[in-house]
Amino acid sequence: GENVEQHPSTLSVQEGDSAVIKCTYSDSASNYFPWYKQELGKRPQLIIDIRSNVGEKKDQRIAVTLNKTAKHFSLHITETQPEDSAVYFCAAQKKAGGGADGLTFGKGTHLIIQP
Amino acid sequence: DVKVTQSSRYLVKRTGEKVFLECVQDMDHENMFWYRQDPGLGLRLIYFSYDVKMKEKGDIPEGYSVSREKKERFSLILESASTNQTSMYLCASSFLWRNSNQPQHFGDGTRLSIL
Repeated sequence: GENVEQHPSTLSVQEGDSAVIKCTYSDSASNYFPWYKQELGKRPQLIIDIRSNVGEKKDQRIAVTLNKTAKHFSLHITETQPEDSAVYFCAAQKKAGGGADGLTFGKGTHLIIQP
Repeated sequence: DVKVTQSSRYLVKRTGEKVFLECVQDMDHENMFWYRQDPGLGLRLIYFSYDVKMKEKGDIPEGYSVSREKKERFSLILESASTNQTSMYLCASSFLWRNSNQPQHFGDGTRLSIL
């Protein structure tokens, strides 16, 4: 099955600096890569996603890049703010037969924004 | 806005009990999923369903079963609860569009303790 590795497990950056979280996946059949943000005690919320036919996607301060050849994708957050502090999860998903397939998640990155 | 509702936020049960966790979504989504979340392990897929009465095993199905009798409702069943099933359980749903993966939306989770 799919295996998703995520690094680092903890990332501390100064407010206003950039943060980068990296993930690798093992199954070349994976074609959808979402990123979720989870604040303490709350549900995971989708913040951005990318499909395998796209190399980069941006939404305001957040961007995601995908390298299919190397099987890795990254989340970039620029101009970090205190409200960016949370746990971030990457995930990979592939199509399975005629129906859906579940997500395989990385173990998460605890992002800490230092004031 | 998508609404995924889990019946309980907190639940305490005893070992050997049969436990039911309920999830309802209001967006007519075809796909529904059950994950468990444990510290340091991220989210892991237990079971998913892409249609009424259809179910597929995820990565960790042992000790669990599921039921989907109606499109909006997906139940997770712990046949005989054990202490190692103490965890946070998250339900998610997504729609199927042209056989491509669509974002999954999560409920608030049920924190289950097995004593």
